[in-house]
Amino acid sequence: RKEVEQDPGPFNVPEGATVAFNCTYSNSASQSFFWYRQDCRKEPKLLMSVYSSGNEDGRFTAQLNRASQYISLLIRDSKLSDSATYLCVVNESGGSYIPTFGRGTSLIVHP
Amino acid sequence: EPEVTQTPSHQVTQMGQEVILRCVPISNHLYFYWYRQILGQKVEFLVSFYNNEISEKSEIFDDQFSVERPDGSNFTLKIRSTKLEDSAMYFCASSHGREIYNEQFFGPGTRLTVL
Repeated sequence: RKEVEQDPGPFNVPEGATVAFNCTYSNSASQSFFWYRQDCRKEPKLLMSVYSSGNEDGRFTAQLNRASQYISLLIRDSKLSDSATYLCVVNESGGSYIPTFGRGTSLIVHP
Repeated sequence: EPEVTQTPSHQVTQMGQEVILRCVPISNHLYFYWYRQILGQKVEFLVSFYNNEISEKSEIFDDQFSVERPDGSNFTLKIRSTKLEDSAMYFCASSHGREIYNEQFFGPGTRLTVL
């Protein structure tokens, strides 16, 4: 059974803090990885794709560690508006394309 | 900015009734998906659809579920005989391509409540 595991949190941090989330996946055949953001009772929205070499988008940095089968998301200089649930999504390659979502990590940024 | 739309936003139904959830994907997208999220739980893939047929489906997508693209714009999910455990948020999504690196755009969801 393919599993994607995340620490549910909540991570409660002050504005300006740096916070990091990890996500582990069980299927070594997984080929693509994403971080989505989900606000309360809203739809998931793509935050960033995660590439093998790691990638950065402004205050957000994503890393992939294939050997240990985890991906990470680092948020620098947290804003109040970053408060949300962050979902890890993992896809296989080949003939099957069924994305597996983690349960999400809740982030609360306070003043 | 183009977006995926879904109707209704909230649907209440009696157990055993049929429901149809509607979605209008982004107009130049070719791949369409349905997901569900039971309150407090993770998002779960149901089905993907391309070229008027199902591409992939999960174990959840059993015989009580069906999907259809009745015209050039709508994409529907039908639940034939609803159960209490079908109560969830149902999200439609679309993407331009099927490649696993393609971004999926989600609609705002339909909250289904089965009584």
